[in-house]
Amino acid sequence: GAVVSQHPSRVICKSGTSVKIECRSLDFQATTMFWYRQFPKKSLMLMATSNEGSKATYEQGVEKDKFLINHASLTLSTLTVTSAHPEDSSFYICSALSEGSIEQYFGPGTRLTVT
Amino acid sequence: GNSVTQMEGPVTLSEEAFLTINCTYTATGYPSLFWYVQYPGEGLQLLLKATKADDKGSNKGFEATYRKETTSFHLEKGSVQVSDSAVYFCALSDLRTSGSRLTFGEGTQLTVNP
Repeated sequence: GAVVSQHPSRVICKSGTSVKIECRSLDFQATTMFWYRQFPKKSLMLMATSNEGSKATYEQGVEKDKFLINHASLTLSTLTVTSAHPEDSSFYICSALSEGSIEQYFGPGTRLTVT
Repeated sequence: GNSVTQMEGPVTLSEEAFLTINCTYTATGYPSLFWYVQYPGEGLQLLLKATKADDKGSNKGFEATYRKETTSFHLEKGSVQVSDSAVYFCALSDLRTSGSRLTFGEGTQLTVNP
């Protein structure tokens, strides 16, 4: 089946620094990738949708200058949390979709802790 | 807009018990329906899906039938195992109104005791 990886799986960073999370589709080409944030015991909150080669579309209330998304190839999207603060600590999950498909395949998630 | 409502958890069952997790939806178009499962500390895995009315999705002993008349997609399993302990999410996508974006329910925590 389709496999999506994320790296790193866990990261701890200091307040004010930036951290980059990678999302890769390993065995298919992902024309669209999604970034979600999940709080403890809560559902997933869609942050943004990115299509390969174009700018990401952010959901209402998500700061595009704080959460930089790049989808430069059909197998890689990155989320950079800039000037991270403790309130950015969360579980970030990506998913990927191939052209013409309705099934999103999810990565294993990245646990970000900002101290 | 689109929305998904799941039965509130947590749900605690004994091994081999029958499981039902209710899911109802609201959609302006004709959505596809999904059940995803999330094990602790992991991402989501697609459990099953249905794309049109009366379709039954099934996988690993789990089943759900797309009921347009009741706008429901309830998840069932005849005999749960301890390894089924996880959070289950019902979701929909409606290509016509919201593209490939998924709308999730709040999730239902299932714990199966030996």
